[in-house]
Amino acid sequence: DSGVTQTPKHLITATGQRVTLRCSPRSGDLSVYWYQQSLDQGLQFLIQYYNGEERAKGNILERFSAQQFPDLHSELNLSSLELGDSALYFCASSVGTSGPNEQFFGPGTRLTVL
Amino acid sequence: GQQLNQSPQSMFIQEGEDVSMNCTSSSIFNTWLWYKQDPGEGPVLLIALYKAGELTSNGRLTAQFGITRKDSFLNISASIPSDVGIYFCAGFYGGATNKLIFGTGTLLAVQP
Repeated sequence: DSGVTQTPKHLITATGQRVTLRCSPRSGDLSVYWYQQSLDQGLQFLIQYYNGEERAKGNILERFSAQQFPDLHSELNLSSLELGDSALYFCASSVGTSGPNEQFFGPGTRLTVL
Repeated sequence: GQQLNQSPQSMFIQEGEDVSMNCTSSSIFNTWLWYKQDPGEGPVLLIALYKAGELTSNGRLTAQFGITRKDSFLNISASIPSDVGIYFCAGFYGGATNKLIFGTGTLLAVQP
């Protein structure tokens, strides 16, 4: 158990809908990262938050957004969903935002868009 | 998106055999991490490497940070069935963000 929690475990929805994925980092970690894992793209970095502020953006679509709250949990919002958005979404956390800090991953949310 | 080249893509071995896999990049990294992912689960950190030439072990696992800082290697000795999974390398550039670039993964299957 990495100490990172994610809910829900599974999510099934229809095209055009909006969903919210939730992540709680390990105790003491200030950075939260979101990743998308699909069969053809591997693990792709989406976005990073550090202590409530956006720190880095990766391959995140404009239809997706995220935020980190004062209690450090984070939410990833996916809107106008398309079939291609079906994937595993992982949250990871680390202590800080720079230096060789290891990232610890949550169990993921499997999103299926029908 | 950007990914590191990881090889082999898959390995099918007998229990007790040793395993080697590697990861290469066109860019220099300051940190290399190795993760293992079981089906439907999140990646689990196995080993972290911070210095060029560094050799680090974690039980039957040994990883090395290449001298050129553009590659890393993971060896698993005396494989067991629970070693089955996908192994990912990840490289870290450094700077103000902690962005990891992941390898394409090596699928390991171990036959008892």
